[in-house]
Amino acid sequence: GAGVSQSPSNKVTEKGKDVELRCDPISGHTALYWYRQSLGQGLEFLIYFQGNSAPDKSGLPSDRFSAERTGGSVSTLTIQRTQQEDSAVYLCASSFGRVGYGYTFGSGTRLTVV
Amino acid sequence: AQTVTQSQPEMSVQEAETVTLSCTYDTSESDYYLFWYKQPPSRQMILVIRQEAYKQQNATENRFSVNFQKAAKSFSLKISDSQLGDAAMYFCALIQGAQKLVFGQGTRLTINP
Repeated sequence: GAGVSQSPSNKVTEKGKDVELRCDPISGHTALYWYRQSLGQGLEFLIYFQGNSAPDKSGLPSDRFSAERTGGSVSTLTIQRTQQEDSAVYLCASSFGRVGYGYTFGSGTRLTVV
Repeated sequence: AQTVTQSQPEMSVQEAETVTLSCTYDTSESDYYLFWYKQPPSRQMILVIRQEAYKQQNATENRFSVNFQKAAKSFSLKISDSQLGDAAMYFCALIQGAQKLVFGQGTRLTINP
């Protein structure tokens, strides 16, 4: 596609429920990144994919968080047993994977846990 | 580990004036790249300007330019002839071999008409 697409745009869920966030990167971009942005804060790295493998998942805050990427394209970030502190904007980005090139970001998913 | 610091949580400027946003960073590498991203209320991060550390010449993109001081590890963004559409959060970011962008905390820029 022309840009990085994320869905849903907004998600409200009850505490304890599982949620799935989807990211559809730019066609041909081999690298995909997930970041979390809490209200008024900077971006916190979560996980990075090169192709379908995740060489760096150091930013996942707990084992409730997991992510996968299939076909070198779409990625899903899953949060199990959501907690209120999970409320944030989840941003996805993709790139050609070569050092020095900026990322192209999607518009994010705003997750609210009530 | 690399870090990026933006010491100005908020800045404001009159329309058509010039404003400079500050950024300092720390890295042990000699080869890295620096970026400024803009985040308007739409939430999408937009790349404003990019600087390669091995280039001494400061990058420019129309009204946007940087002052890159490698020895001081400083990377400020200058916006000339500020426009209402420049109002946004601005993030400074660093990337090196690990290919993971590290961001500062951001500066909220307000443009006064």
